[in-house]
Amino acid sequence: GNSVTQMEGPVTLSEEAFLTINCTYTATGYPSLFWYVQYPGEGLQLLLKATKADDKGSNKGFEATYRKETTSFHLEKGSVQVSDSAVYFCALSGMDSSYKLIFGSGTRLLVRP
Amino acid sequence: DSGVTQTPKHLITATGQRVTLRCSPRSGDLSVYWYQQSLDQGLQFLIQYYNGEERAKGNILERFSAQQFPDLHSELNLSSLELGDSALYFCASSKAGEQETQYFGPGTRLLVL
Repeated sequence: GNSVTQMEGPVTLSEEAFLTINCTYTATGYPSLFWYVQYPGEGLQLLLKATKADDKGSNKGFEATYRKETTSFHLEKGSVQVSDSAVYFCALSGMDSSYKLIFGSGTRLLVRP
Repeated sequence: DSGVTQTPKHLITATGQRVTLRCSPRSGDLSVYWYQQSLDQGLQFLIQYYNGEERAKGNILERFSAQQFPDLHSELNLSSLELGDSALYFCASSKAGEQETQYFGPGTRLLVL
């Protein structure tokens, strides 16, 4: 079935370091791909999305490119801040008429000053 | 603030009891989704409504039910509660024509004692 695999966390970085969080997916067809972020004690916020191959989603300095050939949607940021500490979820959608989201297990990011 | 509201924010109850969680979607959104976030299962899709009609079901227990009212708000009813039902329950909404892009509410944290 359709699934999303994320790298295990936690990922611990120093402020201003480069961030990569890996995400790969398994799906029949061409899903839309998303990154959501969950700050401590809060709900899920949509961070960015891409709806077709080679699309790049970007927001708040974060980027991810939809790579069909490697079935990946890795999240990157050039210089992380302490305020980026959160749990990041990769998700896919669009595989049936419900558009339900299938989430990865989440990756916790901790940025130290 | 996503524009999706959920009440209550926290709920503590006992095994065997019944609770109702409420969700108001963003203005104009016709689709409402319910998700459960637990430590062992991660984020799982429960059920979707579109303009008052059930559209899709996921891993929703028979003890759980939902509905969407004419004003488009939705309620998730959980009955015969068990300890394992303790989780964070999210509602999300999306608009017609862009249903794969879902905006999440802050969630209801349910604790069953």
